[in-house]
Amino acid sequence: AQSVAQPEDQVNVAEGNPLTVKCTYSVSGNPYLFWYVQYPNRGLQFLLKYITGDNLVKGSYGFEAEFNKSQTSFHLKKPSALVSDSALYFCAVRPDRGSTLGRLYFGRGTQLTVWP
Amino acid sequence: NAGVTQTPKFQVLKTGQSMTLQCAQDMNHEYMSWYRQDPGMGLRLIHYSVGAGITDQGEVPNGYNVSRSTTEDFPLRLLSAAPSQTSVYFCASSYSFPGQPSGNTIYFGEGSWLTVV
Repeated sequence: AQSVAQPEDQVNVAEGNPLTVKCTYSVSGNPYLFWYVQYPNRGLQFLLKYITGDNLVKGSYGFEAEFNKSQTSFHLKKPSALVSDSALYFCAVRPDRGSTLGRLYFGRGTQLTVWP
Repeated sequence: NAGVTQTPKFQVLKTGQSMTLQCAQDMNHEYMSWYRQDPGMGLRLIHYSVGAGITDQGEVPNGYNVSRSTTEDFPLRLLSAAPSQTSVYFCASSYSFPGQPSGNTIYFGEGSWLTVV
């Protein structure tokens, strides 16, 4: 079965410090990996994705994510957090083969709070 | 571009009532889907469609019905609302062709907040 795990329900960091939001997955084949951000009472906004190539992917708002195939992880990172980064972050995977081709599987989300 | 548009934004239903959540996209995307978001559970796929006339069930399809008569529209029908269907519903779409690798980004609407009393 396809699954995505975000082991931390909450991550708290001080403004200016680096942040990491963790994601691991269990999906057959070579999945496509995504990060989305959700602000209160809003839809999901696309941040970045990994399709192939360089394991370090850069996305919107200074975020980046590192794909590690051996650890089946896709952690979201930012070198210097801002208060405005406070939001709910979702990791998602999309299988590239099989009966679930095209579906998007989500983790449960991680609430990021950046303190001033 | 308007992107993915959902209506209504907020709705309160009584148990047993039926209603339709509307979703439209203007990006000529073949793939469209409906998710529900519940606290601590992330987003779960209800139904999806890979093109006009083609729909399939996701993880939590019971109590919902969909149709895809055009590329642009993908309405979600609640047949007989239950309190367990109180949730936030998101419509999403992406550019994709059946049977091909689907690394294309999925775009989401702003959500529909539904309360069933």
